[in-house]
Amino acid sequence: DQQVKQNSPSLSVQEGRISILNCDYTNSMFDYFLWYKKYPAEGPTFLISISSIKDKNEDGRFTVFLNKSAKHLSLHIVPSQPGDSAVYFCAARSDRGSTLGRLYFGRGTQLTVWP
Amino acid sequence: DVKVTQSSRYLVKRTGEKVFLECVQDMDHENMFWYRQDPGLGLRLIYFSYDVKMKEKGDIPEGYSVSREKKERFSLILESASTNQTSMYLCASSPTLRGDVEAFFGQGTRLTVV
Repeated sequence: DQQVKQNSPSLSVQEGRISILNCDYTNSMFDYFLWYKKYPAEGPTFLISISSIKDKNEDGRFTVFLNKSAKHLSLHIVPSQPGDSAVYFCAARSDRGSTLGRLYFGRGTQLTVWP
Repeated sequence: DVKVTQSSRYLVKRTGEKVFLECVQDMDHENMFWYRQDPGLGLRLIYFSYDVKMKEKGDIPEGYSVSREKKERFSLILESASTNQTSMYLCASSPTLRGDVEAFFGQGTRLTVV
């Protein structure tokens, strides 16, 4: 059973507009959430993370929002650029118990930014 | 610059063959991981290792084994390759199992079993 869910397999956005990628999770024990970006035929690269004790983290054009009560997080990209076109994976990790060290990934969202 | 290197970008193997996927990291990280990525399924953890000669099963270890004889090298072994093991395999390393510290990924090995 997937503990991290990305329910939108794809998203298409015009250049310059905002991209919002969503992620839901079921395990309330997750302590950290990470976003990775993946281009075809390459490994994922880290983008941004957030601790469960925060509700927002910002890095340049990328902002991640966390709503713990709803078990929901979102990645905002503003402004979107064609080079942002990639698959985005949401991942979560717990610092406790038997799942220590494991990163749980969602199924990914393909973002396409068109000119 | 951080580097995780997988020995092959593309591999084609026959059903029943024993297959070795090699991964080397140059960051002196304690922890290394093997994932597979399939369309619509995301990344799924096969095995990970938190120290030399130590290993833990991930979510889909069946049909795989691993070896970590040296800190920098983590090998994934398909004992008898089957067509359902056709996939993209991704190796990663991380300095810690805790926190929001990122895992660094290799470029991936696209394995096709025929």
